[in-house]
Amino acid sequence: SQQGEEDPQALSIQEGENATMNCSYKTSINNLQWYRQNSGRGLVHLILIRSNEREKHSGRLRVTLDTSKKSSSLLITASRAADTASYFCATDAGGFKTIFGAGTRLFVKA
Amino acid sequence: EAGVAQSPRYKIIEKRQSVAFWCNPISGHATLYWYQQILGQGPKLLIQFQNNGVVDDSQLPKDRFSAERLKGVDSTLKIQPAKLEDSAVYLCASSFGLAGYTGELFFGEGSRLTVL
Repeated sequence: SQQGEEDPQALSIQEGENATMNCSYKTSINNLQWYRQNSGRGLVHLILIRSNEREKHSGRLRVTLDTSKKSSSLLITASRAADTASYFCATDAGGFKTIFGAGTRLFVKA
Repeated sequence: EAGVAQSPRYKIIEKRQSVAFWCNPISGHATLYWYQQILGQGPKLLIQFQNNGVVDDSQLPKDRFSAERLKGVDSTLKIQPAKLEDSAVYLCASSFGLAGYTGELFFGEGSRLTVL
């Protein structure tokens, strides 16, 4: 079963613009993660935010978590062509499994 | 540090044939996962091992899929007989945490299966 759902499904922006992706989930979580997947490659971990955290930064990435709304957002600032990839949120659904959403496909035009 | 190794990268078979995928996790990682990723979708967990024991295989189609991690290191995922809907990328991941750990997973490049 799908725990996280990303929105939008696809996003196309110009280089230098900011990209925002959202993730909604259904059940309580201990933590939420974001992963990136370049075409034809495996997933790469970007950032993990715990349920008692509201915001976290890593380089050009900013993640927020609102447990009352069961949602998270990933902001990529000053996007680059190399940021073109699929982005997935993953939650633990309060248990021991890591469950992925369907992903947001980001295309950054040079 | 060597990453998660998977082979083969690509495999094309006809329906009803069998196929096997191999995964070697990062050294020292106790937990190993097999995910199935159908085109355009997110990865779906098939099976999770801690050392050589199965933690979760609730979404593994056991009539045709099998997986083992005999010595608690590398793992093999087998499909027999394959169906058209098994066409997907099979991703192996590992983590240093034990069962109950839901932190960072390290993924291999995946094995892309096409069933004709």
